[in-house]
Amino acid sequence: DTEVTQTPKHLVMGMTNKKSLKCEQHMGHRAMYWYKQKAKKPPELMFVYSYEKLSINESVPSRFSPECPNSSLLNLHLHALQPEDSALYLCASSQDPPGRSGNTIYFGEGSWLTVV
Amino acid sequence: GNSVTQMEGPVTLSEEAFLTINCTYTATGYPSLFWYVQYPGEGLQLLLKATKADDKGSNKGFEATYRKETTSFHLEKGSVQVSDSAVYFCALIATSGNTPLVFGKGTRLSVIA
Repeated sequence: DTEVTQTPKHLVMGMTNKKSLKCEQHMGHRAMYWYKQKAKKPPELMFVYSYEKLSINESVPSRFSPECPNSSLLNLHLHALQPEDSALYLCASSQDPPGRSGNTIYFGEGSWLTVV
Repeated sequence: GNSVTQMEGPVTLSEEAFLTINCTYTATGYPSLFWYVQYPGEGLQLLLKATKADDKGSNKGFEATYRKETTSFHLEKGSVQVSDSAVYFCALIATSGNTPLVFGKGTRLSVIA
C-alpha cells in the first residue's frame, strides 16, 4: 500500500481567510513533502519534513505555514493568500529523507486551491 | 547541477500506436530514475522506476531502461489506449545533494480512438 491521503480535494478561499490542507500516510515513511503545481508545469517543491522536523524550506512566503504534528500527518496552513497562489497542492512521502539512494517519493491526489 | 530533459509535447497518437517519450538526464553519481503519470484532474502516480544502470522498470505495459552510457530513460509502450491520455513526467533522485526530486517539464499525451 503506497497511499497518501489529502483533504480537502477542493478548497475555495478568500484572501482574508485562514484554512488548512491536510495530508496523512500510514506507511511508516520518515519524510513528507509539500509541492505546488501550476497548470501545465511540473510540481515545485515547497517544504520537506524529515523525522518530523522541517529540513527544507524552498523560500516559500510566510503566508504558507507547514506543520508536522506526528510522523503520519502533515498540514499546510494558509493565511492571507493571493489569487496567484491558486494551484494544485500535492503532498508526498518517502521511506527515507532526501539524498538516500533508492528512495522513492509517493504522491497524494492533491488539493485544488482557488483563492478569490 | 542535476537536470532532466524530456521531449516537448503534446504528443497525439492513434489507439494501438507505439509510444516513445524521450528522457535524458544530467546528474552526479548514480541517480534513481522515475516516470510519473498525471491523469486529468488527478495527482501524480508513480508509473515505474529504475535504480541502477541497465535496470528495466515496467508497469501497465509501459517500460523504460536505465541507460547510463547515453544518460537516458526513454518511456515506451507497444500499443497505447485512449485511457493512457495523460501528462508524463520523467524525474530523478540524485545520490548527492539534498534535492528530493528533479522533474522534467512533462509531456502531454493524447490518444485518439
